Amino acid sequence: GDSVTQKEGLVTLTEGLPVMLNCTYQTIYSNAFLFWYVHYLNESPRLLLKSSTDNKRTEHQGFHATLHKSSSSFHLQKSSAQLSDSALYYCALRAGYQNFYFGKGTSLTVIP
Amino acid sequence: EAAVTQSPRNKVAVTGGKVTLSCNQTNNHNNMYWYRQDTGHGLRLIHYSYGAGSTEKGDIPDGYKASRPSQENFSLILELATPSQTSVYFCASGDACRVNERLFFGHGTKLSVL
Repeated sequence: GDSVTQKEGLVTLTEGLPVMLNCTYQTIYSNAFLFWYVHYLNESPRLLLKSSTDNKRTEHQGFHATLHKSSSSFHLQKSSAQLSDSALYYCALRAGYQNFYFGKGTSLTVIP
Repeated sequence: EAAVTQSPRNKVAVTGGKVTLSCNQTNNHNNMYWYRQDTGHGLRLIHYSYGAGSTEKGDIPDGYKASRPSQENFSLILELATPSQTSVYFCASGDACRVNERLFFGHGTKLSVL
């Protein structure tokens, strides 16, 4: 069945260093859409960005990701981490009109 | 901005007791979902609904029931609560017609079963 893998459970970074959170997926459907949701403490999880067409980069709030169907990946990146980026990040897959499949989440902590 | 409201925000229940978590959305979305969030497991789907009167089992439905009496409301029911159901529960709504449409989440209900 469909699935999403986020390799890192916990990531700790020093402010100013680049961020890369990994996300790979598996699906039998050709029309797969990938999403990154961010969950700040005491808030609702909310959409950070979603995939566009194959090999096209999407950006929002300084973060970016590119859907690569050849490697089934949608890694989240940012050039310079900020303290306010500390949160829980979920990668999610929706393919066909199936339900959303979420990865286990990556907890990002940015330290001064 | 689309809105999903959950109640209560916090709940302490006793083992064997009945718990009802409520969710209301003003997005006019057909699809609604109940997830639980646990460290190391992420968000796992318990039940979902395609519209009023419909409920479907998600990936971890055991020990839970759901009710969708109207387009706006979706409840999660724990008939006999157990300590293993201690978790944070999120309700979400989504547009059924667009496969790349995002989910809108509520603020969550923190449930402790003692």
